[in-house]
Amino acid sequence: KAGVTQTPRYLIKTRGQQVTLSCSPISGHRSVSWYQQTPGQGLQFLFEYFSETQRNKGNFPGRFSGRQFSNSRSEMNVSTLELGDSALYLCASSEPYQVHTEAFFGQGTRLTVV
Amino acid sequence: SQQGEEDPQALSIQEGENATMNCSYKTSINNLQWYRQNSGRGLVHLILIRSNEREKHSGRLRVTLDTSKKSSSLLITASRAADTASYFCATDPTSSGGYQKVTFGIGTKLQVIP
Repeated sequence: KAGVTQTPRYLIKTRGQQVTLSCSPISGHRSVSWYQQTPGQGLQFLFEYFSETQRNKGNFPGRFSGRQFSNSRSEMNVSTLELGDSALYLCASSEPYQVHTEAFFGQGTRLTVV
Repeated sequence: SQQGEEDPQALSIQEGENATMNCSYKTSINNLQWYRQNSGRGLVHLILIRSNEREKHSGRLRVTLDTSKKSSSLLITASRAADTASYFCATDPTSSGGYQKVTFGIGTKLQVIP
Protein backbone atom coordinates (compact mmCIF):
# COMPACT_ATOMS: atom_id res chain seq x y z
CA LYS A 1 0.00 0.00 0.00
CA ALA A 2 1.17 3.51 -0.68
CA GLY A 3 1.69 5.61 2.41
CA VAL A 4 0.12 8.90 3.36
CA THR A 5 1.04 11.55 0.81
CA GLN A 6 1.18 15.22 1.63
CA THR A 7 1.69 17.95 -0.93
CA PRO A 8 3.47 20.20 -1.27
CA ARG A 9 6.46 19.32 0.93
CA TYR A 10 7.58 22.93 1.31
CA LEU A 11 5.82 26.26 1.02
CA ILE A 12 6.83 29.85 1.52
CA LYS A 13 4.02 32.35 1.84
CA THR A 14 3.70 35.99 2.76
CA ARG A 15 1.74 37.29 5.74
CA GLY A 16 -1.89 37.85 4.83
CA GLN A 17 -1.97 35.26 2.09
CA GLN A 18 -3.86 32.01 2.27
CA VAL A 19 -2.61 28.48 1.72
CA THR A 20 -4.08 25.07 0.95
CA LEU A 21 -2.38 21.84 1.93
CA SER A 22 -3.34 18.44 0.63
CA CYS A 23 -3.30 14.97 2.16
CA SER A 24 -4.01 11.65 0.48
CA PRO A 25 -4.58 8.90 3.05
CA ILE A 26 -3.68 5.27 2.80
CA SER A 27 -6.14 3.43 0.58
CA GLY A 28 -9.08 2.25 2.68
CA HIS A 29 -8.49 4.70 5.50
CA ARG A 30 -11.42 7.04 5.91
CA SER A 31 -10.24 9.02 8.92
CA VAL A 32 -7.80 11.86 8.34
CA SER A 33 -6.40 14.03 11.12
CA TRP A 34 -4.31 17.16 10.86
CA TYR A 35 -1.65 18.37 13.29
CA GLN A 36 0.48 21.46 13.57
CA GLN A 37 4.00 21.00 14.89
CA THR A 38 6.10 23.88 16.15
CA PRO A 39 9.26 23.75 18.28
CA GLY A 40 7.60 25.47 21.21
CA GLN A 41 4.18 23.80 21.21
CA GLY A 42 4.92 20.32 19.95
CA LEU A 43 2.18 18.53 18.06
CA GLN A 44 -1.16 20.26 18.27
CA PHE A 45 -4.35 18.61 17.02
CA LEU A 46 -6.16 20.67 14.41
CA PHE A 47 -9.10 18.57 13.28
CA GLU A 48 -10.22 15.14 12.17
CA TYR A 49 -12.40 14.21 9.23
CA PHE A 50 -14.31 11.06 8.54
CA SER A 51 -16.62 10.46 5.58
CA GLU A 52 -16.44 14.10 4.56
CA THR A 53 -17.50 15.27 8.02
CA GLN A 54 -15.44 17.04 10.64
CA ARG A 55 -15.76 14.95 13.79
CA ASN A 56 -13.27 16.63 16.09
CA LYS A 57 -11.67 20.02 16.24
CA GLY A 58 -8.77 21.38 18.25
CA ASN A 59 -8.33 24.85 19.69
CA PHE A 60 -7.37 26.79 16.62
CA PRO A 61 -8.90 29.99 15.24
CA GLY A 62 -11.40 29.95 12.42
CA ARG A 63 -8.65 30.86 9.97
CA PHE A 64 -7.83 27.16 9.99
CA SER A 65 -10.33 25.06 8.11
CA GLY A 66 -10.43 21.80 6.29
CA ARG A 67 -12.51 19.49 4.23
CA GLN A 68 -12.56 15.93 3.05
CA PHE A 69 -13.62 14.63 -0.31
CA SER A 70 -15.54 11.50 -1.19
CA ASN A 71 -12.28 9.68 -1.98
CA SER A 72 -11.08 10.49 1.58
CA ARG A 73 -8.46 12.95 0.39
CA SER A 74 -8.35 15.95 2.66
CA GLU A 75 -7.29 19.55 2.37
CA MET A 76 -6.65 22.11 5.02
CA ASN A 77 -6.72 25.82 4.42
CA VAL A 78 -5.21 28.63 6.40
CA SER A 79 -6.37 32.12 5.56
CA THR A 80 -4.81 35.45 6.45
CA LEU A 81 -1.49 33.85 7.30
CA GLU A 82 0.46 35.06 10.31
CA LEU A 83 4.14 34.60 11.08
CA GLY A 84 3.17 32.24 13.90
CA ASP A 85 1.57 29.87 11.41
CA SER A 86 5.05 28.81 10.29
CA ALA A 87 5.17 25.15 11.20
CA LEU A 88 5.29 21.58 10.00
CA TYR A 89 1.77 20.44 9.18
CA LEU A 90 1.25 16.72 9.47
CA CYS A 91 -1.67 14.63 8.44
CA ALA A 92 -2.41 11.13 9.63
CA SER A 93 -4.83 8.52 8.42
CA SER A 94 -6.32 5.56 10.21
CA GLU A 95 -8.92 2.89 9.81
CA PRO A 96 -12.37 3.89 11.01
CA TYR A 97 -14.33 2.44 13.90
CA GLN A 98 -11.33 0.86 15.51
CA VAL A 99 -10.49 2.00 18.99
CA HIS A 100 -7.03 0.49 19.11
CA THR A 101 -5.57 1.70 15.89
CA GLU A 102 -2.36 3.40 14.99
CA ALA A 103 -2.17 6.53 12.93
CA PHE A 104 -0.03 6.58 9.80
CA PHE A 105 1.62 9.90 9.15
CA GLY A 106 2.71 11.66 6.02
CA GLN A 107 6.07 13.42 5.74
CA GLY A 108 4.44 16.75 6.37
CA THR A 109 4.29 20.12 4.68
CA ARG A 110 6.78 22.68 5.94
CA LEU A 111 5.10 26.09 5.80
CA THR A 112 7.16 29.22 6.23
CA VAL A 113 5.36 32.54 6.52
CA VAL A 114 7.51 35.61 5.85
CA SER B 1 -2.95 21.94 26.46
CA GLN B 2 -1.11 18.70 25.82
CA GLN B 3 -2.56 15.48 27.15
CA GLY B 4 0.78 13.74 27.35
CA GLU B 5 4.00 15.11 28.71
CA GLU B 6 7.28 13.37 28.08
CA ASP B 7 10.19 13.45 30.43
CA PRO B 8 13.01 14.23 29.99
CA GLN B 9 12.70 16.73 27.15
CA ALA B 10 16.20 15.85 25.99
CA LEU B 11 18.44 12.87 26.59
CA SER B 12 21.98 12.19 25.42
CA ILE B 13 23.55 8.74 25.82
CA GLN B 14 26.39 6.68 24.44
CA GLU B 15 25.75 3.99 21.86
CA GLY B 16 25.04 0.68 23.56
CA GLU B 17 23.44 2.23 26.62
CA ASN B 18 19.75 1.99 27.43
CA ALA B 19 17.44 4.98 27.05
CA THR B 20 14.35 5.47 29.17
CA MET B 21 11.67 8.03 28.45
CA ASN B 22 8.60 8.69 30.51
CA CYS B 23 5.17 9.97 29.65
CA SER B 24 2.44 11.26 31.93
CA TYR B 25 -1.11 11.97 30.89
CA LYS B 26 -4.21 13.45 32.45
CA THR B 27 -7.41 11.64 31.51
CA SER B 28 -8.46 8.00 31.21
CA ILE B 29 -7.39 6.42 27.96
CA ASN B 30 -8.19 3.59 25.58
CA ASN B 31 -4.56 3.14 24.68
CA LEU B 32 -1.19 4.84 24.63
CA GLN B 33 1.11 4.88 21.66
CA TRP B 34 4.73 5.77 21.13
CA TYR B 35 5.99 7.36 17.93
CA ARG B 36 9.41 8.31 16.62
CA GLN B 37 10.19 11.33 14.48
CA ASN B 38 13.45 11.85 12.65
CA SER B 39 14.47 15.47 12.19
CA GLY B 40 11.30 17.26 11.11
CA ARG B 41 9.86 14.38 9.13
CA GLY B 42 6.69 12.38 9.62
CA LEU B 43 6.04 10.28 12.68
CA VAL B 44 6.57 6.55 12.67
CA HIS B 45 4.44 4.37 14.91
CA LEU B 46 6.51 2.24 17.31
CA ILE B 47 4.17 0.48 19.67
CA LEU B 48 0.64 0.61 21.06
CA ILE B 49 -0.29 -0.52 24.54
CA ARG B 50 -3.90 -0.89 25.57
CA SER B 51 -5.23 0.37 28.85
CA ASN B 52 -5.65 -3.19 30.17
CA GLU B 53 -2.02 -4.09 29.41
CA ARG B 54 0.88 -3.40 31.72
CA GLU B 55 3.89 -4.19 29.58
CA LYS B 56 4.66 -4.77 25.94
CA HIS B 57 7.79 -5.60 23.97
CA SER B 58 8.79 -5.04 20.38
CA GLY B 59 12.37 -5.84 19.45
CA ARG B 60 14.60 -3.55 21.52
CA LEU B 61 11.59 -1.58 22.77
CA ARG B 62 9.85 -2.16 26.06
CA VAL B 63 6.81 -0.14 27.06
CA THR B 64 5.11 -0.13 30.43
CA LEU B 65 1.82 1.42 31.38
CA ASP B 66 0.58 2.32 34.85
CA THR B 67 -2.98 3.56 34.56
CA SER B 68 -3.23 4.24 38.29
CA LYS B 69 -0.39 6.75 37.97
CA LYS B 70 -1.38 7.78 34.46
CA SER B 71 2.12 7.19 33.22
CA SER B 72 4.07 5.15 30.72
CA SER B 73 7.71 4.52 30.01
CA LEU B 74 9.57 3.60 26.85
CA LEU B 75 12.85 1.73 27.21
CA ILE B 76 15.18 1.37 24.25
CA THR B 77 17.85 -1.20 24.98
CA ALA B 78 21.32 -1.33 23.44
CA SER B 79 20.81 2.01 21.71
CA ARG B 80 22.25 2.76 18.28
CA ALA B 81 23.14 6.00 16.56
CA ALA B 82 20.15 5.40 14.28
CA ASP B 83 17.87 5.70 17.31
CA THR B 84 18.65 9.42 17.43
CA ALA B 85 15.24 11.03 17.01
CA SER B 86 12.39 12.63 18.92
CA TYR B 87 10.02 10.30 20.68
CA PHE B 88 6.40 11.13 21.38
CA CYS B 89 3.75 9.48 23.44
CA ALA B 90 0.21 9.77 22.23
CA THR B 91 -2.97 9.01 24.08
CA ASP B 92 -6.38 8.07 22.78
CA PRO B 93 -8.76 9.34 25.45
CA THR B 94 -11.84 7.31 26.30
CA SER B 95 -13.88 10.50 25.92
CA SER B 96 -13.15 10.52 22.19
CA GLY B 97 -15.83 7.87 21.70
CA GLY B 98 -13.61 5.81 19.47
CA TYR B 99 -13.00 8.68 17.11
CA GLN B 100 -9.47 9.47 16.13
CA LYS B 101 -8.42 12.22 18.49
CA VAL B 102 -5.01 11.09 19.49
CA THR B 103 -3.23 13.73 21.51
CA PHE B 104 0.53 14.04 21.59
CA GLY B 105 3.06 15.25 24.11
CA ILE B 106 5.90 17.60 23.25
CA GLY B 107 8.41 14.80 22.89
CA THR B 108 11.77 13.64 24.16
CA LYS B 109 14.73 14.42 21.96
CA LEU B 110 17.13 11.49 22.14
CA GLN B 111 20.71 11.75 20.95
CA VAL B 112 22.77 8.58 20.75
CA ILE B 113 26.46 9.32 20.48
CA PRO B 114 28.49 6.77 18.48
